[in-house]
Amino acid sequence: AQSVTQPDARVTVSEGASLQLRCKYSYFGTPYLFWYVQYPRQGLQLLLKYYPGDPVVQGVNGFEAEFSKSNSSFHLRKASVHWSDWAVYFCAVSEGSALGRLHFGAGTQLIVIP
Amino acid sequence: EAAVTQSPRSKVAVTGGKVTLSCHQTNNHDYMYWYRQDTGHGLRLIHYSYVADSTEKGDIPDGYKASRPSQENFSLILELASLSQTAVYFCASRQDSGNTLYFGEGSRLIVV
Repeated sequence: AQSVTQPDARVTVSEGASLQLRCKYSYFGTPYLFWYVQYPRQGLQLLLKYYPGDPVVQGVNGFEAEFSKSNSSFHLRKASVHWSDWAVYFCAVSEGSALGRLHFGAGTQLIVIP
Repeated sequence: EAAVTQSPRSKVAVTGGKVTLSCHQTNNHDYMYWYRQDTGHGLRLIHYSYVADSTEKGDIPDGYKASRPSQENFSLILELASLSQTAVYFCASRQDSGNTLYFGEGSRLIVV
C-alpha cells in the first residue's frame, strides 16, 4: 500500500542556513509526489510536485526537491532559510490514478531561529 | 479571494450531538475531499466525491457521512459526535486533469 514517512517530527535551523526535510515513500510503480506547506492557522498550500521526468523539481520561494527511485525518497531542500519559512511541511504520494487520492506523511514542523 | 471556504471555522459540540461541516468551492472542480488532521498523523482521507449527488468512502469513513448536493458544495456530517472526533477538518478540491489539491483553511472541532 502507498505510504509516506517523514522521520523528523521537528527540525530547527538558523535563519540563513540550509535546510533538508526528509521524506521516504512506499509505492508500487511510478509515484507522483508532492510537498505541501501549512502556515500557522491556514490550510495546506502546494509547494512543489514531481511527475515522472526530471528528478529535481523547483518550487516556490526557493524550495526544491529531488526524487530518488533507488532510495524511495523525495527530500525537500532550501539553500537559505528565512524566518517566514516557519511552518509544517507535508510530503504526500498520489495513487497516480484518475482519482488522485493523496496519502500524507505526518508532517515536519520547521522552526527557524534568528 | 479564497476558492475553498469552510464553515464553521471552529465549533464545540457535545458528545452524541450532530455536527455538520460545510465546504464551498468556486474552482469549478469536480473532485472534493474531506481530510482529518491529528497531531502525529498528518492528514487522513474521510470521504471524497467526484460528481454531485455521489460520495465515496476514504480511508477512515467510520462515524462520518458526506453529502454532495451540488458541484460547489460538500458537507461532512457527524450524526453522533464522539470525543475521538476532536480534530481539525480540511476540505479540498481538485480539477479532473490534475493531482493538485486546493485546501480550505480548516474547521477546528472540539467534542466535549
